[in-house]
Amino acid sequence: KAGVTQTPRYLIKTRGQQVTLSCSPISGHRSVSWYQQTPGQGLQFLFEYFSETQRNKGNFPGRFSGRQFSNSRSEMNVSTLELGDSALYLCASSRDRSMGEQYFGPGTRLTVT
Amino acid sequence: AQTVTQSQPEMSVQEAETVTLSCTYDTSESNYYLFWYKQPPSRQMILVIRQEAYKQQNATENRFSVNFQKAAKSFSLKISDSQLGDTAMYFCAFIDTGGFKTIFGAGTRLFVKA
Repeated sequence: KAGVTQTPRYLIKTRGQQVTLSCSPISGHRSVSWYQQTPGQGLQFLFEYFSETQRNKGNFPGRFSGRQFSNSRSEMNVSTLELGDSALYLCASSRDRSMGEQYFGPGTRLTVT
Repeated sequence: AQTVTQSQPEMSVQEAETVTLSCTYDTSESNYYLFWYKQPPSRQMILVIRQEAYKQQNATENRFSVNFQKAAKSFSLKISDSQLGDTAMYFCAFIDTGGFKTIFGAGTRLFVKA
């Protein structure tokens, strides 16, 4: 069974631009979560989707948004990029409705210049 | 608010020895899961071990075991017979069954020395 895939793996953007990151969960997994990982802030929860519904959202500004499609694939979008958005963005999928254990993708390394 | 605290930013251990990583958490929930995840350098995060809060028995996965003290809200990870491949960042994580949100600790960087 294929693991969680994320595209692109690396991305360089300039301030003010917007970016869309994609995540394909493990087949059969309906829960997808997104995290931002930085050296200073560690792993911070962005949002979680289950069956196309956002069930929870972390403490991030409205520039961060996401969605989930009927095939469970998920995208997150960051508009008006700031230097502080430079981070590793991790996606994780889970089979159980209660989330339980998660399986992580390799991440997308976003650099904002 | 739920929090997870890992008080050891960095640890080192000799190959073949045993090391214990500490984690404490704070919650008012009674139903939740606890996890230890491992993130090797430049590699994907993987699950090491999980513990359901309602289970009194400590979880064990091969060389990895936990000491779960629910009343003290403590969840430590013991790695026995440490191997070079255990070098990684270890994250303690908490999720309550109704919150759909995982809270991670700051992580402990473990170095296994030959």
